[in-house]
Amino acid sequence: SAVISQKPSRDICQRGTSLTIQCQVDSQVTMMFWYRQQPGQSLTLIATANQGSEATYESGFVIDKFPISRPNLTFSTLTVSNMSPEDSSIYLCSVVRLRSQGDLSYEQYFGPGTRLTVT
Amino acid sequence: GNSVTQMEGPVTLSEEAFLTINCTYTATGYPSLFWYVQYPGEGLQLLLKATKADDKGSNKGFEATYRKETTSFHLEKGSVQVSDSAVYFCALTSYQKVTFGIGTKLQVIP
Repeated sequence: SAVISQKPSRDICQRGTSLTIQCQVDSQVTMMFWYRQQPGQSLTLIATANQGSEATYESGFVIDKFPISRPNLTFSTLTVSNMSPEDSSIYLCSVVRLRSQGDLSYEQYFGPGTRLTVT
Repeated sequence: GNSVTQMEGPVTLSEEAFLTINCTYTATGYPSLFWYVQYPGEGLQLLLKATKADDKGSNKGFEATYRKETTSFHLEKGSVQVSDSAVYFCALTSYQKVTFGIGTKLQVIP
């Protein structure tokens, strides 16, 4: 299994400011993912964060708005820049890990999420 | 690309009723399939999973069978309780990317 922690757990921010969310995993993983869950909606993948390379963003998300760092195999940050009320969401960090050696299926683990409210 | 189609809710059932939430998918490769649950005010939790065709995932009285021939992974429970009221998300993982359905809200009334 994987234990994932996120900081902060929630925050209320003013329009135009930025917030950096931290994600810590209890063991090394190759790929980390950042998701957004807007109120009443499903999860949407923002980007994939690979250690040692730039993050890969999904359609509709750009690096200037959601810069990501991945300094090592257990840690990543997501910054929500120049926030507006539309950015109010739950932001989740996630990792995928092979179930076992030789098994090509994966286990998905999620952090507890960061609930962001922008006023 | 991959996609997950999930019945829209909300679904309202009386306690002890039978539950089915449909989920079908399209994917490349050999996806793993999941059901996640989100209780009011809480984060996402893995409910059950199946990693290959004909596998049955089960947990807390919920079951879902990986049907490759119909590309489906329907969630069932024989007798729902008020405490099962939550949003249920069907999801698949393929090549380390996860795709979620829109979520189905279940409300169980006494």
